[in-house]
Amino acid sequence: EVQLVQSGAEVKKPGESLKISCKGSGYSFTNDWIGWVRQMPGKGLEWMGIIYAGDSDTRYSPSFQGQVTISADKSISTAYLQWSSLKASDSAMYYCARLSNGVCFDHWGQGTLVTVSS
Amino acid sequence: AIQMTQSPSSLSASVGDRVTITCRASQGIRDDLGWFQQKPGKAPKLLIYAASSLQSGVPSRFSGSGSGTDFTLTISSLQPEDFATYYCLQHYNYPWTFGQGTKVEIK
Repeated sequence: EVQLVQSGAEVKKPGESLKISCKGSGYSFTNDWIGWVRQMPGKGLEWMGIIYAGDSDTRYSPSFQGQVTISADKSISTAYLQWSSLKASDSAMYYCARLSNGVCFDHWGQGTLVTVSS
Repeated sequence: AIQMTQSPSSLSASVGDRVTITCRASQGIRDDLGWFQQKPGKAPKLLIYAASSLQSGVPSRFSGSGSGTDFTLTISSLQPEDFATYYCLQHYNYPWTFGQGTKVEIK
């Protein structure tokens, strides 16, 4: 069974750093892409970027380029989304999802809620 | 970036109704489009991929059509569990873009 399991909710202060994770199982992690999607409270879905787990080829939305870093460790089948300096406006739910064999986002993680507050 | 204009933003419908949601791309995207359903507090779920292919396990009352710039998601007979928010997503080129969402509410 394909599963994407995300790390737990985080509460951080502005200016702090953060790295959240998305662990894949039940499929060949290195053959597929993992994307990240933001959902701010009460709002729609926003595509942030995507990484090919096999060689870490990464693409970003211009809206998020330079604001976050997407990475992957294929040895442990895990993708990451990180911030070096959080802002209150980064408070949101973040989802990871898989692109496999041209089928876009067929499996999703459960989401990681990030709260940034002083 | 390709803009995805989804309409309507919300609709009220009754159980058994036929419901149609549309997405229009600002440029041609072939059939590189997916439709997703999201219920409150849950992750989105893929319903349709490649514009018209039904994802495994999704009820056949859901269907998708279109190619190029105009796409449609149809629910042939709305069921109580279908009340949710629906999104389209183009993955033709980067950056991928979602539609703004359509909230389907009970009339």
